[in-house]
Amino acid sequence: QKEVEQDPGPLSVPEGAIVSLNCTYSNSAFQYFMWYRQYSRKGPELLMYTYSSGNKEDGRFTAQVDKSSKYISLFIRDSQPSDSATYLCAIDSYKAAGNKLTFGGGTRVLVKP
Amino acid sequence: DTEVTQTPKHLVMGMTNKKSLKCEQHMGHRAMYWYKQKAKKPPELMFVYSYEKLSINESVPSRFSPECPNSSLLNLHLHALQPEDSALYLCASSPTPGTPSTDTQYFGPGTRLTVL
Repeated sequence: QKEVEQDPGPLSVPEGAIVSLNCTYSNSAFQYFMWYRQYSRKGPELLMYTYSSGNKEDGRFTAQVDKSSKYISLFIRDSQPSDSATYLCAIDSYKAAGNKLTFGGGTRVLVKP
Repeated sequence: DTEVTQTPKHLVMGMTNKKSLKCEQHMGHRAMYWYKQKAKKPPELMFVYSYEKLSINESVPSRFSPECPNSSLLNLHLHALQPEDSALYLCASSPTPGTPSTDTQYFGPGTRLTVL
């Protein structure tokens, strides 16, 4: 079983729709969760960073963590064509040696005008 | 300035060549990372430098040799690579090794490497 599982998509939505992305993880010790956006042939860009269960909102983006279910979600409201990208969830299992990110496989999102 | 820069953007090399990838950040971050990303796959961690010392090596073949000359620079020296090493190589940095941080990791744009 992979440490972090993510539906690969592709997920195609019309402009203005809500995009719903999710990941599941296996290790209940994980505490720090991130969502990155990656455009084609570019490096990942940090979108959201959450700790513990609950919701975090930033503009059109909302991240949710449900530790009891080991489930994390990202919602994008009022989606735009510029939101078309691959979205990666990641877990930060930090140690004294450094912060080790474990990524989900990524979900490709296409927002159609 | 929240930028991580990487050079070159693209690199084509033969299996007998020696080349180097360069990464630079001026955010005062004390942890730097190399990742490898194959097409349609997530980034995979290769190396972590913490306070300019190699702290994590994810069992990477010795044909990849990292170097951290100072706190702002990170190099990846390549020698005798194989075609299957063709990938996007990403550099990242984070503020304080070993602590959770809302800044977590910033990534550079990557170097796209092709090994012939």
